[in-house]
Amino acid sequence: ETGVTQSPTHLIKTRGQQVTLRCSSQSGHNTVSWYQQALGQGPQFIFQYYREEENGRGNFPPRFSGLQFPNYSSELNVNALELDDSALYLCASSLNTLNTEAFFGQGTRLTVV
Amino acid sequence: AQSVTQPDIHITVSEGASLELRCNYSYGATPYLFWYVQSPGQGLQLLLKYFSGDTLVQGIKGFEAEFKRSQSSFNLRKPSVHWSDAAEYFCAVVLNQAGTALIFGKGTTLSVSS
Repeated sequence: ETGVTQSPTHLIKTRGQQVTLRCSSQSGHNTVSWYQQALGQGPQFIFQYYREEENGRGNFPPRFSGLQFPNYSSELNVNALELDDSALYLCASSLNTLNTEAFFGQGTRLTVV
Repeated sequence: AQSVTQPDIHITVSEGASLELRCNYSYGATPYLFWYVQSPGQGLQLLLKYFSGDTLVQGIKGFEAEFKRSQSSFNLRKPSVHWSDAAEYFCAVVLNQAGTALIFGKGTTLSVSS
């Protein structure tokens, strides 16, 4: 049990729709990172938030956006969903931006049909 | 190109046998190195990490890993595998000069036979 919780655990969306995924970070952690894990692949870095500001972004289009709130919880928003967005989305919280000890949530399984 | 490579996609080991999972990285400087484990439908759990110092690091669940600078490798080992070790294992790095992202390999699936 890492203390990082993600919601929902599963959801199904239609191509073109928008989705919001949520993550509650571990107590005391001010950094949240989001990853996309396609089936059979390793997680791919989407972006990181540190103290409510974006602090690094991977090779994902602008329709992937995020927020971090004053309590350090975070949201990942994806607009104009595409079939290839189907994946497990993982949130990781850490005490610092170097991820020297990142704790992952269980993930949200998104299926786009 | 800069990358993390796990050469073995799938490994099967008999219960009680030893295990070694390979990981190589191709970066100019030594990054921070990690091994994570993922059980089906679960998130990632950190097994161990290397930042500097002693090149043999101990982790949870009886795992250890050895950093070899000359080979740009960080292989994961366990002397005696248990059935509960069956899972997906990911090697990851953070480029400590410009942190933020964990960069993962594609993973190795470990199956344990009885």
